[in-house]
Amino acid sequence: AQSVTQLDSHVSVSEGTPVLLRCNYSSSYSPSLFWYVQHPNKGLQLLLKYTSAATLVKGINGFEAEFKKSETSFHLTKPSAHMSDAAEYFCVVTLGAGNKLTFGGGTRVLVKP
Amino acid sequence: GAVVSQHPSWVICKSGTSVKIECRSLDFQATTMFWYRQFPKQSLMLMATSNEGSKATYEQGVEKDKFLINHASLTLSTLTVTSAHPEDSSFYICSAILPTGDDYGYTFGSGTRLTVV
Repeated sequence: AQSVTQLDSHVSVSEGTPVLLRCNYSSSYSPSLFWYVQHPNKGLQLLLKYTSAATLVKGINGFEAEFKKSETSFHLTKPSAHMSDAAEYFCVVTLGAGNKLTFGGGTRVLVKP
Repeated sequence: GAVVSQHPSWVICKSGTSVKIECRSLDFQATTMFWYRQFPKQSLMLMATSNEGSKATYEQGVEKDKFLINHASLTLSTLTVTSAHPEDSSFYICSAILPTGDDYGYTFGSGTRLTVV
């Protein structure tokens, strides 16, 4: 069994300040983890993924995430928020290629000018 | 990169009618596709797993006779909402597993906003 918990349903940041989106997972086996972003009425775009290689994963648009097995966490960060980062972010876990995805509840990011 | 094209992007239909949503994989073969439903301000909920040439596997609580899934070819999966009712109004998203040899992951369609009136 697997599950994902995104600890914040909403995050509000000022433009130019750091962003932290928290994600904890539960999995019986070594999981693969993803972060996706969704803009209103759009599909999902992959930001980055962890699949048992380097624990610090760099993604697109300046985002990165660190897989911490001891803490069962996969938090997403960005050093400087941009207005275009305002969107919904999903942390996702799967047991491996071909397996179904389990989504966290999502975190809505608001960026203030 | 591998793209999944989903159509229509939005549809309005009357109660009692049926609506078909298509999901096509472009430039790759998708043996497995997933269908999700997303209510406003909520996360994605997996409805079913669609495998080419075989019956779809539905998640618990999803009515297979209401949400008909067909995956007749390696590039096309369809979701038909039969006898639609207002409570079926939602955002539906398909996803495909990226092919072996490609970057491991999943690609998503752009979604379909269904409104039943």
